Amino acid sequence: NAGVTQTPKFQVLKTGQSMTLQCAQDMNHEYMSWYRQDPGMGLRLIHYSVGAGITDQGEVPNGYNVSRSTTEDFPLRLLSAAPSQTSVYFCASSYFRDTDTQYFGPGTRLTVL
Amino acid sequence: RKEVEQDPGPFNVPEGATVAFNCTYSNSASQSFFWYRQDCRKEPKLLMSVYSSGNEDGRFTAQLNRASQYISLLIRDSKLSDSATYLCVVILTTGTASKLTFGTGTRLQVTL
Repeated sequence: NAGVTQTPKFQVLKTGQSMTLQCAQDMNHEYMSWYRQDPGMGLRLIHYSVGAGITDQGEVPNGYNVSRSTTEDFPLRLLSAAPSQTSVYFCASSYFRDTDTQYFGPGTRLTVL
Repeated sequence: RKEVEQDPGPFNVPEGATVAFNCTYSNSASQSFFWYRQDCRKEPKLLMSVYSSGNEDGRFTAQLNRASQYISLLIRDSKLSDSATYLCVVILTTGTASKLTFGTGTRLQVTL
């Protein structure tokens, strides 16, 4: 099993550009989520999904969209990148819900100029 | 007061030392607790769950103190490979909804 994969590993954007961060898992997990990690702050939940076709907002959803058309994939879309979105983004999955062990992807380091 | 607080460190300890970290939480109704380990520029990985009765996994011991609202992680006989950032996770469940709150992490550096 590859576990949770994320692409790209690194990305530089200009303010106003849009892009999609990809996340996929091959563990047949129902629950998937996106976090951002900033210096001096804990991981903060952006969006999550409890299964295909179901998504919901987390703590810091503004400026991001998600969709979950399959169990395996959970892309995160930045609508119009801003410097405040410079961060490390982690996708995570768990078997059934957020209280289960979270398996994280390797992260995407995003810089917005 | 932050929901979850950790001393950022770094804790610099020699190999073989015993080191302990605490993580305090503000909501007394929190039910589940975990420790994750995050290596530099890597993703977090589950280290261990924290049970009410305390639990041990090799050189690692996790404990919960509900009265004082903190969890602890004790590492005995530290190895160079233990150098990492240790994140605590506190989960509050109300009804069918849960909220995971990550601490900012405590950095451990084990030296020769």
